[in-house]
Amino acid sequence: DTVLTQSPALAVSPGERVTISCRASKSVSTGMHWYQQKPGQQPKLLIYGASNLESGVPARFNGSGSGTDFTLTIDPVEADDTATYFCQQSWNDYTFGAGTKLELK
Amino acid sequence: QVQLKETGPDLVQLTQTLSITCTVSGFSLTTYNVEWVRQPPGKGLEWMGAMWNGGGTDYNSAFKSRLSISRDTSKSQVFLKMNSLQTDDTAKYFCARRSRWEKYFDYWGQGVMVTVSS
Repeated sequence: DTVLTQSPALAVSPGERVTISCRASKSVSTGMHWYQQKPGQQPKLLIYGASNLESGVPARFNGSGSGTDFTLTIDPVEADDTATYFCQQSWNDYTFGAGTKLELK
Repeated sequence: QVQLKETGPDLVQLTQTLSITCTVSGFSLTTYNVEWVRQPPGKGLEWMGAMWNGGGTDYNSAFKSRLSISRDTSKSQVFLKMNSLQTDDTAKYFCARRSRWEKYFDYWGQGVMVTVSS
């Protein structure tokens, strides 16, 4: 299985820039996608194919990377961005990262 | 608009079988794959398996021996059945639509929380 490693938690102030990382145990090319999940809700697609913004998602969200190292950047962060962010790879079956919980100071 | 909705039991007894239905609208099961993903309380997401638009299935090897996915296209429904449930199968179960052209999940149901009780 391809293991995805994410930092467990981050805390930032509104208006700042935050970078959430995801590292794959082997190359997934650009088969990396990002989801936002708020408590009690289903995941919501933000970024697909490593860097493509899903329709309707604010341009404050940006994805980059290829191979094994990927980042999701939110700039500027807003209060509504408080959530857990999951990366998912689709190059070798499907696996998800454990999630990064983003809290606002 | 695209919608997916899971229906199933809140509680299942240890070693029994779980059955969940995903009813979709706004798209055709013969055009899009539907995937199953679960999430134990406070934990991450785990892909379980898929119903392909052509009628085939794919399973996570971790579940393959006890998981079955099927569909009824006339009712726009996809079914998940998993037997021999254990307490660590307690989770929220989601169905999701896979994008037609790439392997990401663009729409998700709200999920159904299932507790396995001893």
